[in-house]
Amino acid sequence: GENVEQHPSTLSVQEGDSAVIKCTYSDSASNYFPWYKQELGKGPQLIIDIRSNVGEKKDQRIAVTLNKTAKHFSLHITETQPEDSAVYFCAASGDYKLSFGAGTTVTVRA
Amino acid sequence: DAGVIQSPRHEVTEMGQEVTLRCKPISGHNSLFWYRQTMMRGLELLIYFNNNVPIDDSGMPEDRFSAKMPNASFSTLKIQPSEPRDSAVYFCASSLYPPVPPETQYFGPGTRLLVL
Repeated sequence: GENVEQHPSTLSVQEGDSAVIKCTYSDSASNYFPWYKQELGKGPQLIIDIRSNVGEKKDQRIAVTLNKTAKHFSLHITETQPEDSAVYFCAASGDYKLSFGAGTTVTVRA
Repeated sequence: DAGVIQSPRHEVTEMGQEVTLRCKPISGHNSLFWYRQTMMRGLELLIYFNNNVPIDDSGMPEDRFSAKMPNASFSTLKIQPSEPRDSAVYFCASSLYPPVPPETQYFGPGTRLLVL
């Protein structure tokens, strides 16, 4: 089955700086890579996703890059704000099944 | 537009009791997923329904867990009898898949279960 590894497990950044989270996956059949943000006491919420026919996707301050050859993908958050503090999960899928990374706790210091 | 609805949001019960968690998926979605989230194991898929039919229940821990989807707008996850190690947050998610390629799964707010 698919195995997704996510790093780092915790990340503390100064407000206004950038945050980068990296994930690797094992199954070359995976072709869909979503990122979820989970705030305390809430369910995971999709913030951005990318499919295997695209190398990069951007949505305002959030961007995701995908390197299919190396089987890794990354989330980039620019100009971080306090409301970006949350747990972020990457995931990989080739069909219905999402395999999640262990999560990264991001803290934005004011 | 209502998202995935789960009830109850919190449940505290005693070991040995039956627990029933409920989920209403997003209207029009044909796939429903039950997940369990714990610190130790992260997010685990328990069971996947497509068009109300269980397709993959390989993640269901043991016979104490059962799930049903009697219609397109309602699903239940039941634990009987409950044990302290079942304490976790249980999420329901829905999506539209297939026939389209893997699509976004939309998660509900979760049910936080504590078994004493």
